[in-house]
Amino acid sequence: QVQLQESGPGLVKPSETLSLTCTVSGYPISSGYYWGWIRQPPGKGLEWIVSMYHSGSTYYNPSLKSRVTISVDTSKNQFFLKLSSVTAADTAVYYCARVKSTAGTPNAFDIWGQGTMVTVSS
Amino acid sequence: QSVLTQPPSASGTPGQRVTFSCSGSSSNIGSNTVNWYQQLPGTAPKLLIYSNNQRPSGVPDRFSGSKSGTSASLAISGLQSEDEADYYCAAWDDSLNGHVVFGGGTKLTVL
Repeated sequence: QVQLQESGPGLVKPSETLSLTCTVSGYPISSGYYWGWIRQPPGKGLEWIVSMYHSGSTYYNPSLKSRVTISVDTSKNQFFLKLSSVTAADTAVYYCARVKSTAGTPNAFDIWGQGTMVTVSS
Repeated sequence: QSVLTQPPSASGTPGQRVTFSCSGSSSNIGSNTVNWYQQLPGTAPKLLIYSNNQRPSGVPDRFSGSKSGTSASLAISGLQSEDEADYYCAAWDDSLNGHVVFGGGTKLTVL
């Protein structure tokens, strides 16, 4: 079955860049679907960050767009998130997910990774 | 402040039917489909309902969704203790080149 697994540093210093990897197994990224990132600050709700198709079409959360970079390595079946100039407000559990398109838009996160906690602190 | 509005809490007793509301606007729920996610304590969210009322494989038919205008609802019938979780609605928003918006979530307590 399709599985996603996040990985990356659990601690990032303020003003630095947060970098995460999502490794997908059981489905080739290049076969279709969008792939995305969602985060959840401690004790708070879900916030969508970005979604990308393997060929490059990308949608961003408008409030994070200036700091977000998403990329994909189809040869390794991985996709990546970079979030620059982080502050304590970026402390959260970060999830990667497969994104199902319905009614022409990539809006439904149908398979999720387990999540990885990232703390921004000096 | 979330774009979609959900009540912060709800409760019910085993066997009861409970409903959750999700309110949006013309640029999101009013013109796009709604999805619902269930997040059990300490776990990743799970897609519960997509396209307003469709259940992914494996989701019991106790869970149902509906949409009317700029609002949506999730209903759970035959409430069970294992349904105690946070429930989030989400939708595509057509503004600002298109993006996904979430509700703030409703915490369900099974009494």
